Amino acid sequence: GENVEQHPSTLSVQEGDSAVIKCTYSDSASNYFPWYKQELGKRPQLIIDIRSNVGEKKDQRIAVTLNKTAKHFSLHITETQPEDSAVYFCAASIGGSYIPTFGRGTSLIVHP
Amino acid sequence: DSGVTQTPKHLITATGQRVTLRCSPRSGDLSVYWYQQSLDQGLQFLIQYYNGEERAKGNILERFSAQQFPDLHSELNLSSLELGDSALYFCASSRQGRNEKLFFGSGTQLSVL
Repeated sequence: GENVEQHPSTLSVQEGDSAVIKCTYSDSASNYFPWYKQELGKRPQLIIDIRSNVGEKKDQRIAVTLNKTAKHFSLHITETQPEDSAVYFCAASIGGSYIPTFGRGTSLIVHP
Repeated sequence: DSGVTQTPKHLITATGQRVTLRCSPRSGDLSVYWYQQSLDQGLQFLIQYYNGEERAKGNILERFSAQQFPDLHSELNLSSLELGDSALYFCASSRQGRNEKLFFGSGTQLSVL
């Protein structure tokens, strides 16, 4: 299977709702988990990251949670706004390297 | 603006040809990464350089090669191009190349006809 699996591939919500994107990884040695946002036609940009010694991290309307035992981590966006519409990628360092391996992405659509 | 410069922005070429993509990292960043992004695909890691040396290799084809020069800019060479090589190629840079924020360039859109 893939090293980093991401679900769902598409997520449609109404403005003001919450959105949750989930990722699982296979390598128990992974210790760095970033999330990138890519708007249409733009470059990916880091929005939040978490390291394995922390279970949760928040930055305004976004938060990331990590469960190392289950090898999964999630991105939570509250009070979604139309400008949150983008593709979100999770990543994890795989195989003892320090290289982020990316999930396939989640296309988030926030309807006004 | 991330501070990472990629040229050219667009490249159209024919099958069998060779092209070179160029990347200048952010000032002070020692590590450069190359990623390939195809339609409906995520970001596929190709190769990483740190301070002029190859540090990690991903799913990079033998027809592709890269290098990082003493001034830290990097070039990705794609040869014997096939239709399937059409994709958006991103360069990214980071300070030390170990579990840290990547700054992406705006990408080079390659179309092989």
